[in-house]
Amino acid sequence: EAEVAQSPRYKITEKSQAVAFWCDPISGHATLYWYRQILGQGPELLVQFQDESVVDDSQLPKDRFSAERLKGVDSTLKIQPAELGDSAMYLCASRLDRAYSYEQYFGPGTRLTVT
Amino acid sequence: GQQVMQIPQYQHVQEGEDFTTYCNSSTTLSNIQWYKQRPGGHPVFLIQLVKSGEVKKQKRLTFQFGEAKKNSSLHITATQTTDVGTYFCAGPSGGYQKVTFGTGTKLQVIP
Repeated sequence: EAEVAQSPRYKITEKSQAVAFWCDPISGHATLYWYRQILGQGPELLVQFQDESVVDDSQLPKDRFSAERLKGVDSTLKIQPAELGDSAMYLCASRLDRAYSYEQYFGPGTRLTVT
Repeated sequence: GQQVMQIPQYQHVQEGEDFTTYCNSSTTLSNIQWYKQRPGGHPVFLIQLVKSGEVKKQKRLTFQFGEAKKNSSLHITATQTTDVGTYFCAGPSGGYQKVTFGTGTKLQVIP
């Protein structure tokens, strides 16, 4: 069964360092989402791509976060510089662009700890 | 902006007891989805509801979409330890295919 791949699974970094996360969605899924999930809360959307275009980044802290999906396939989320409050699980999800089908497939996530 | 609240926030049940979580939106929803997240895992899609008053069943799980399409519920009959996890509802929140996740209900099943 096809899955969303993410790496790394765990990342420990020091405050003010740069960090990057990678996501490879299920083949053929045009829509890709990056979420941040703080322990005990629901996923919060950071950025949404349709193919290679950003369709929503209203909740992305653009002074330190950036995201790209250059060829409309895999995607990278970057934080520079990392802050203590960025410690969270970063989830990637993808969705098949099909009418009336809203199902999102999530990857295993990257657990970020900023020290 | 749209808010999606779930109650209760936590629920502990004895194995074999029933469990229900409720999802309430501040706005009318065109559809609602339910996800389950096991401890240490990632959200896994369970089901989507589209029609007003719709009821769907998956074995011991029953999902319902309210008549006004502003609320939904998930009911588990005779819980098992495998049901442990956090259950999230999610609904569209404007923009193209954007969804807002609810606050989640964490279920603990005591054997």
